[in-house]
Amino acid sequence: QLQLQESGPGLVKPSETLSLTCTVSGGSISSSSYYWGWIRQPPGKGLEWIGSIYYSGSTYYNPSLKSRVTISVDTSKNQFSLKLSSVTAADTAVYYCARDIGAVGTSEFDSWGQGTLVTVSA
Amino acid sequence: YVLTQPPSVSVAPGQTASITCGGDDIGSKSVHWYQQRPGQAPVLVVFDDSDRPSGIPERFSGSNSGNTATLTLTRVEAGDEADYYCHVWDSSSDHVVFGGGTKLTVL
Repeated sequence: QLQLQESGPGLVKPSETLSLTCTVSGGSISSSSYYWGWIRQPPGKGLEWIGSIYYSGSTYYNPSLKSRVTISVDTSKNQFSLKLSSVTAADTAVYYCARDIGAVGTSEFDSWGQGTLVTVSA
Repeated sequence: YVLTQPPSVSVAPGQTASITCGGDDIGSKSVHWYQQRPGQAPVLVVFDDSDRPSGIPERFSGSNSGNTATLTLTRVEAGDEADYYCHVWDSSSDHVVFGGGTKLTVL
């Protein structure tokens, strides 16, 4: 049974960098069949895709966030990570990691982590 | 690329609910649907327009043509009350797009 678990600080100060890690268990992040994505959801609002990464390091980013986002992968730890720089209150959200079942990053997200709330506040 | 969903849909128990997702020529794309209950992570309920993951009841079905994709729930139950999101890949700009979500209320 594949499991994804987000971890990282729940509180980040404005202008600083938000850093989260997703640990994958029950499956290998190095599988050639999947991409791995980050999605966020501001309180009371809808889903917003942040970006996705392949085990080789190939990435896709949301154009609206691309200038502030870096997604990386550590296959030795079976983890992938998100960094979002220069955060503001508008970045306050529940952040989810998820598996994209396609090998080109264009398919559905079939497994999701439970999500972690990150609040941006001084 | 913009996906448009109605903010809310209401249905009586046992009836059929239809949730639409509108987009320019969406019929040429693969549409995926997620159910999100309050306080929980989204769950995939339909992928590639009309396929169901294992464990999803046959009451959930999907269709996609022209400028509208539709998620249909038959014999609606109280437990179906949730937010539903559609999702496509926009190949023109290489990114994932989600619809704004529809809150399904079971009366």
